[in-house]
Amino acid sequence: DTGVSQNPRHKITKRGQNVTFRCDPISEHNRLYWYRQTLGQGPEFLTYFQNEAQLEKSRLLSDRFSAERPKGSFSTLEIQRTEQGDSAMYLCASSLGTTNTEAFFGQGTRLTVV
Amino acid sequence: GESVGLHLPTLSVQEGDNSIINCAYSNSASDYFIWYKQESGKGPQFIIDIRSNMDKRQGQRVTVLLNKTVKHLSLQIAATQPGDSAVYFCAGNTGGGNKLTFGTGTQLKVEL
Repeated sequence: DTGVSQNPRHKITKRGQNVTFRCDPISEHNRLYWYRQTLGQGPEFLTYFQNEAQLEKSRLLSDRFSAERPKGSFSTLEIQRTEQGDSAMYLCASSLGTTNTEAFFGQGTRLTVV
Repeated sequence: GESVGLHLPTLSVQEGDNSIINCAYSNSASDYFIWYKQESGKGPQFIIDIRSNMDKRQGQRVTVLLNKTVKHLSLQIAATQPGDSAVYFCAGNTGGGNKLTFGTGTQLKVEL
């Protein structure tokens, strides 16, 4: 499978715990994006990387959220001290680094905070 | 402000009919738009895109129309099939880096 891969697909955690998600983009894509999607809504932009550089972060990304892409390939998104409001689908997408090219999404990680 | 929204939350069509899903956007600086299909429990799947220097683009059974004057785009699906049942999102680029702003989606239901 050469698409965007996300792990795990589902995560249930207790409030206050830390969680980490992983995204493996399409191999030749140097841009990687994280989005969050709640039920009945469209995905909302969180942050994106150009290679290993994190170039933009949304105001949605509180201090409890941190994303990394250390080698410019896979990325991780960590949420510390999870809250029930963090329950959502976390989507990763990747694209080529040129302007106006399609972004391809992974299947997402469904986070449930109980 | 920046927003991309859809006119109708739910669209029901008969199998074999054509479907038209509409979308309005507010950011006149957006110059690239994508339609995504999302099935339950899955990530958005790329359908078709269009750049602002075009007003129409066709794919397999799908056509996207862009009207920059009224900031409106639509997705037409020909001969709608049961497998087309899903939520459809339009998205427009905002700012640098190709980040996308999505609308809330239209649920397409195909009736047999």
